[in-house]
Amino acid sequence: GQQLNQSPQSMFIQEGEDVSMNCTSSSIFNTWLWYKQDPGEGPVLLIALYKAGELTSNGRLTAQFGITRKDSFLNISASIPSDVGIYFCAGEGGTSYGKLTFGQGTILTVHP
Amino acid sequence: SAVISQKPSRDICQRGTSLTIQCQVDSQVTMMFWYRQQPGQSLTLIATANQGSEATYESGFVIDKFPISRPNLTFSTLTVSNMSPEDSSIYLCSVSGGRWASGSGYEQYFGPGTRLTVT
Repeated sequence: GQQLNQSPQSMFIQEGEDVSMNCTSSSIFNTWLWYKQDPGEGPVLLIALYKAGELTSNGRLTAQFGITRKDSFLNISASIPSDVGIYFCAGEGGTSYGKLTFGQGTILTVHP
Repeated sequence: SAVISQKPSRDICQRGTSLTIQCQVDSQVTMMFWYRQQPGQSLTLIATANQGSEATYESGFVIDKFPISRPNLTFSTLTVSNMSPEDSSIYLCSVSGGRWASGSGYEQYFGPGTRLTVT
């Protein structure tokens, strides 16, 4: 099946720093998504990307849908303690129409 | 987006027993999905449950181990049968929303999950 490679696996940063994480795939996707999961909660959608090359922002978050449709990145600017959590990329489409394929997740820790 | 609840929120079970997890949504939805998230791992789709039809299982998951019910458009259950410690995971249900703007597939909203520990 389709697989997403997400990196880095974990990040330890100081409050105020910027963060960048990315996902790559050997398959193309129609939709790229970024979710955040807080402890004891289900994933919450942060950003959805629909077109190759698309750059979308949501507050301090910016994400891009790669031109090849096989990759995406998420940037968080000026991190704050509540940014702590696990960030997942997910792709929809390709050989898995209508289903989501998730990356392995990036664990973000923000030190005050 | 839909409000989704799951019961129980967590449980500790003995090996060999079964646990049924409930998922309730506050509005009617076409598709409901069940995922497994093993400790420190990503989310893996178990099956898709549509009302009025048999659930569709992903490779590696079978109905005898994970029977699913979908009696109406707001409710579904997942049973984890004959449990072993390897079944210790977070089980998440998600529901479909509108179509993605790309026109491909449907938005998914997740419940809070059920944390299962099998001893």
